[in-house]
Amino acid sequence: DIQLTQSPSSLSASIGDRVTITCQASPDISNFLNWYQHKPGKAPKLLVSDASNLETGVPSRFSGSGSGTDFNLTISSLQPEDIATYYCQQSESLFTFGPGTKVDIK
Amino acid sequence: DVQLVESGGGFVQPGESLRLSCVASGFTFSDYDMHWVRHPPGKGLEWVSAIGGTGDTYYPDSLKGRFTISRENAKNSFYLHMNSLRAEDTAVYYCARATYSSTSLVYWGQGILVTVSS
Repeated sequence: DIQLTQSPSSLSASIGDRVTITCQASPDISNFLNWYQHKPGKAPKLLVSDASNLETGVPSRFSGSGSGTDFNLTISSLQPEDIATYYCQQSESLFTFGPGTKVDIK
Repeated sequence: DVQLVESGGGFVQPGESLRLSCVASGFTFSDYDMHWVRHPPGKGLEWVSAIGGTGDTYYPDSLKGRFTISRENAKNSFYLHMNSLRAEDTAVYYCARATYSSTSLVYWGQGILVTVSS
């Protein structure tokens, strides 16, 4: 089974801060890694697919990087509407979600 | 526009069964893998199952045997049959459509609540 861990589990940052969320996979999943944003009462939203492909309509302040076992989701300048929980998800073998990172405003 | 609409949720007692439905529109349904994902209260997202366009099915080991996914391409619909429900199955259940490459979930329903409690 493929395991995903995320760090941190939660973070508080100021508007305009650069925020980075890390996802580690075991074992190697190449680039089969996606990132979702989930707000309370809403459906999850796909932000980044295949580790680094920004989905259409997603603001350019979001970016994904990494391959193999180490991946990052970066928000270059945190905005109030970015308050949400962020999940990584692997599709190398079936599907698995990471435990999530809750982002809020300091 | 792609739309996914879940139905069939509600309140059930432990040990009972429930069938969730998801009706899709706005795309050629039989061309895509379809998934169920759930969000238990206070916990993270959990992948529940997937079904390919021609009916091949996939489950995590933790749910094999109690949950069954199926689809009816003629009705643009797919289903999640849940048996022997437990309190820990309480969650918002989302149906979702995969990308054509089947590696991510690009369209989601609004979610439907299933509560298992005595």
